[in-house]
Amino acid sequence: KAGVTQTPRYLIKTRGQQVTLSCSPISGHRSVSWYQQTPGQGLQFLFEYFSETQRNKGNFPGRFSGRQFSNSRSEMNVSTLELGDSALYLCASSLVGTLNTEAFFGQGTRLTVV
Amino acid sequence: AQRVTQPEKLLSVFKGAPVELKCNYSYSGSPELFWYVQYSRQRLQLLLRHISRESIKGFTADLNKGETSFHLKKPFAQEEDSAMYYCALSGRLGQKVTFGIGTKLQVIP
Repeated sequence: KAGVTQTPRYLIKTRGQQVTLSCSPISGHRSVSWYQQTPGQGLQFLFEYFSETQRNKGNFPGRFSGRQFSNSRSEMNVSTLELGDSALYLCASSLVGTLNTEAFFGQGTRLTVV
Repeated sequence: AQRVTQPEKLLSVFKGAPVELKCNYSYSGSPELFWYVQYSRQRLQLLLRHISRESIKGFTADLNKGETSFHLKKPFAQEEDSAMYYCALSGRLGQKVTFGIGTKLQVIP
């Protein structure tokens, strides 16, 4: 079956702009999580959606938001982009949640803010 | 608050030498611990989880609640083990997964 798909793979934006990233989970997976990956900070949790509801949230400013649709596809939006938002954004889906369930990751979206 | 600490950003070992990637955690309840691996130009993927008590690709990890550790070990490193390794923790159902900063394992031929 198809894996987790993230689009686009690469993005270049300028400061102040906004961006929307998309994630299509594995068919049947209802939990979608987003992470920011940078060399200095590693993987940082942004938020998790389950059945269209945000279930968990990390410590990121309100400029970072997301949503999940009825087909479990998820989008992440970052407004008023800053240089420090440049990172690889990873999406992961899992079958029921985070306890003992494997998270399957997408290839990521590489965002560069100039 | 839940926290995962991987004290080494880079670990270099010679092929055939033993490997131990350290992971310490902080969590008030009963955690679920995982190791994820990311090979060059590949996706992040699950390597093993503590509840399965399994050995994957020769790697094992034992949860030590007294020392709050979940170190990843392999007796003889192979070149193909070179990758980024992330330790992760989750709590009760519905809680988020917290990852460590990751350790880059470099196996020298």
